[in-house]
Amino acid sequence: EAGVVQSPRYKIIEKKQPVAFWCNPISGHNTLYWYLQNLGQGPELLIRYENEEAVDDSQLPKDRFSAERLKGVDSTLKIQPAELGDSAVYLCASSQDMNTGELFFGEGSRLTVL
Amino acid sequence: QKEVEQDPGPLSVPEGAIVSLNCTYSNSAFQYFMWYRQYSRKGPELLMYTYSSGNKEDGRFTAQVDKSSKYISLFIRDSQPSDSATYLCAITGGTSYGKLTFGQGTILTVHP
Repeated sequence: EAGVVQSPRYKIIEKKQPVAFWCNPISGHNTLYWYLQNLGQGPELLIRYENEEAVDDSQLPKDRFSAERLKGVDSTLKIQPAELGDSAVYLCASSQDMNTGELFFGEGSRLTVL
Repeated sequence: QKEVEQDPGPLSVPEGAIVSLNCTYSNSAFQYFMWYRQYSRKGPELLMYTYSSGNKEDGRFTAQVDKSSKYISLFIRDSQPSDSATYLCAITGGTSYGKLTFGQGTILTVHP
């Protein structure tokens, strides 16, 4: 069974440029998460989807971040415009059983903003 | 105060040592407790999962939860160089159902 797939793995951009990350979850997993992981820190939730619905986006900086999950499968996370402080790893995860919190993570998209 | 506190280490031990990793948490409603392992430049992967208080053993790994003290532990016996990674505790439950809250992570190095 294929795991969670993310792309791109690495991205370097100038500040104020836009950037987008893509995630394909494990087949059959209805719950999808985007987490932000800064260097030396644990992952922090940005947004959680149940199928197409964003059920928790309270930590998403909505002035510059947006996300969508069309047809309840793939998801895209966008930053526009990017700031220096956005340099981090953006992790996508999916889950079949939301209540236990057992998540399957992708390898992450590492963003560097210059 | 953070919901989950974890000593970031780093922790360096010789091969074969017993390793103890710990986290404390503040919300008594949390019910599910997990340990994730994260190798360099990889995503976290689930290592151990426990529900409520007690111990759970899986090979060389033992997870321990003490809800009265809001304290969780992971013990690694006969540690191996391949255990070198960052270990993240994660908690969910109560009104936070479906949202995993992670600790900072402890960097572990097991040297031959």
